[in-house]
Amino acid sequence: RKEVEQDPGPFNVPEGATVAFNCTYSNSASQSFFWYRQDCRKEPKLLMSVYSSGNEDGRFTAQLNRASQYISLLIRDSKLSDSATYLCVVTRTGTASKLTFGTGTRLQVTL
Amino acid sequence: GAVVSQHPSWVICKSGTSVKIECRSLDFQATTMFWYRQFPKQSLMLMATSNEGSKATYEQGVEKDKFLINHASLTLSTLTVTSAHPEDSSFYICSLGLAGDEQFFGPGTRLTVL
Repeated sequence: RKEVEQDPGPFNVPEGATVAFNCTYSNSASQSFFWYRQDCRKEPKLLMSVYSSGNEDGRFTAQLNRASQYISLLIRDSKLSDSATYLCVVTRTGTASKLTFGTGTRLQVTL
Repeated sequence: GAVVSQHPSWVICKSGTSVKIECRSLDFQATTMFWYRQFPKQSLMLMATSNEGSKATYEQGVEKDKFLINHASLTLSTLTVTSAHPEDSSFYICSLGLAGDEQFFGPGTRLTVL
């Protein structure tokens, strides 16, 4: 089983739609959680950290359920510029700075 | 955030040659940098942790004699792919880790081995 699993998509949604991505992780001792965004042939960029209490940044909302080892990202009012691959990332046990990446979920927002 | 540069951005080489990739931290001192590799449609995989002034630590399955890492200064880490083969063709990305867990990634180097 992969350490971090995501639905690869692609998710094709019209502009203005709300879309949700899910992610599960296998190591219950994982400590920190993030969503990164990666554009085609580019480096990943931090979108937001994910906390148990849930957190929101504009149109983006992230949730963490430690009991279920489940992370989600909700994007409201999708824009064309949101088209990218969204990577679910966790830190490894005992090595807080080592990131483990999921394979990513591809989002394509269309007119 | 930190700014990280990589050079070259892409390289094409013949099988059997060695390729050096540079990763520079432009505005922070980097005692630790990370090297990742990403194959098409796959996730980024950590290859090694580069430590300034000491040996790099490699992840399981990564050959240290094939992927030579040098981190001789606080702003520069290099990855040399020795005797490259077509299966080494990949997107190589370095990152800088600062306090906390956030990492800042370089723009990546796309290596194609013919």
